[in-house]
Amino acid sequence: DSGVTQTPKHLITATGQRVTLRCSPRSGDLSVYWYQQSLDQGLQFLIQYYNGEERAKGNILERFSAQQFPDLHSELNLSSLELGDSALYFCASSGQSSGTEAFFGQGTRLTVV
Amino acid sequence: GIQVEQSPPDLILQEGANSTLRCNFSDSVNNLQWFHQNPWGQLINLFYIPSGTKQNGRLSATTVATERYSLLYISSSQTTDSGVYFCAVPYGGSQGNLIFGKGTKLSVKP
Repeated sequence: DSGVTQTPKHLITATGQRVTLRCSPRSGDLSVYWYQQSLDQGLQFLIQYYNGEERAKGNILERFSAQQFPDLHSELNLSSLELGDSALYFCASSGQSSGTEAFFGQGTRLTVV
Repeated sequence: GIQVEQSPPDLILQEGANSTLRCNFSDSVNNLQWFHQNPWGQLINLFYIPSGTKQNGRLSATTVATERYSLLYISSSQTTDSGVYFCAVPYGGSQGNLIFGKGTKLSVKP
């Protein structure tokens, strides 16, 4: 068990809908990262939050947004969903010191129909 | 940006065999991680190895940072070793902000 908790594990929704994925980082970790794994793009970094503030952005679509709350849990919001958004979405967390290892949650498998 | 290449892309082994997986990266890094993605999709940390050699049971890893590559050794492979092995390096100055290789898909046959 990595200590990173993601819910839900599976999600099936229709095109055009909006969903929210939730992540609780490991105890003490201030950084949360979101990744998308699709068959054609592989594992891609989407966005990072550090102690409630956005720290870095990767290949995140404008239809997607995230936030980190005061208790450090994070949510990834996906809107106007398209078939191509079907993927495995991972959350990871790491500590604040340099050289800290990232640990991944079990992922949320999103299927858009 | 930094490029991460893994080889081979696919590997089929008989149970009990040994294997070496390679990860090349195009720029200097201060961190490298190896992961195993099991058939259920879970990403499991194997090694955090910016340089040197580490061992964990039947698995070991070596990173030669000056030559920009890392190797993952699997000895006496078991069917439970099947899955995809990824290496990842950081970019953007953040340790968890990782660029992943495309992975090596390992199938271990009984």
